[in-house]
Amino acid sequence: RKEVEQDPGPFNVPEGATVAFNCTYSNSASQSFFWYRQDCRKEPKLLMSVYSSGNEDGRFTAQLNRASQYISLLIRDSKLSDSATYLCAVSRPYKLSFGAGTTVTVRA
Amino acid sequence: DADVTQTPRNRITKTGKRIMLECSQTKGHDRMYWYRQDPGLGLRLIYYSFDVKDINKGEISDGYSVSRQAQAKFSLSLESAIPNQTALYFCATSGSDRTSTDTQYFGPGTRLTVL
Repeated sequence: RKEVEQDPGPFNVPEGATVAFNCTYSNSASQSFFWYRQDCRKEPKLLMSVYSSGNEDGRFTAQLNRASQYISLLIRDSKLSDSATYLCAVSRPYKLSFGAGTTVTVRA
Repeated sequence: DADVTQTPRNRITKTGKRIMLECSQTKGHDRMYWYRQDPGLGLRLIYYSFDVKDINKGEISDGYSVSRQAQAKFSLSLESAIPNQTALYFCATSGSDRTSTDTQYFGPGTRLTVL
């Protein structure tokens, strides 16, 4: 079993729609969780950290479910510019494990 | 100016050639990482370093070596390149607190093709 798994998608949504997807992880001792955004084989860029209580940054909401060992990302009011691949990252001692990414395509 | 830079950005080489990828950072971070990314496989850790004297293998270190020349510089070498090392390579840095995992910041990547 991979340490971090994501539904690769693609999720094709119209502008203005809400899209949500999860990332599961296998190491119950993981302490830190992140969502990164990657555009077209460019470098991953931090979108947001994921806190135990859940957190929101504008149209983006991240949740952590430790019992079921997954994190989620919800994008509200999708914009064309949200089209990207979203990578989740989960800590292991001194390092991060990354999922393979979920591709989101927002269409006009 | 970018905080994490990588050179070259693109490289085409032949099987058996030695190649070095370089990474420099101005973030003042102690920890540096090399990853490769292949379609469908995500980012896989090749090597990481917590300081100049601390080098560690990642999950896919075979066929690669690294050098931490200074706090700000971390180089990845392919001693004898082979076609299945064709990939996108990223360098990343993170903060210096050894007891926690900080956010990692990535360089722009090097697209390497081995013919």
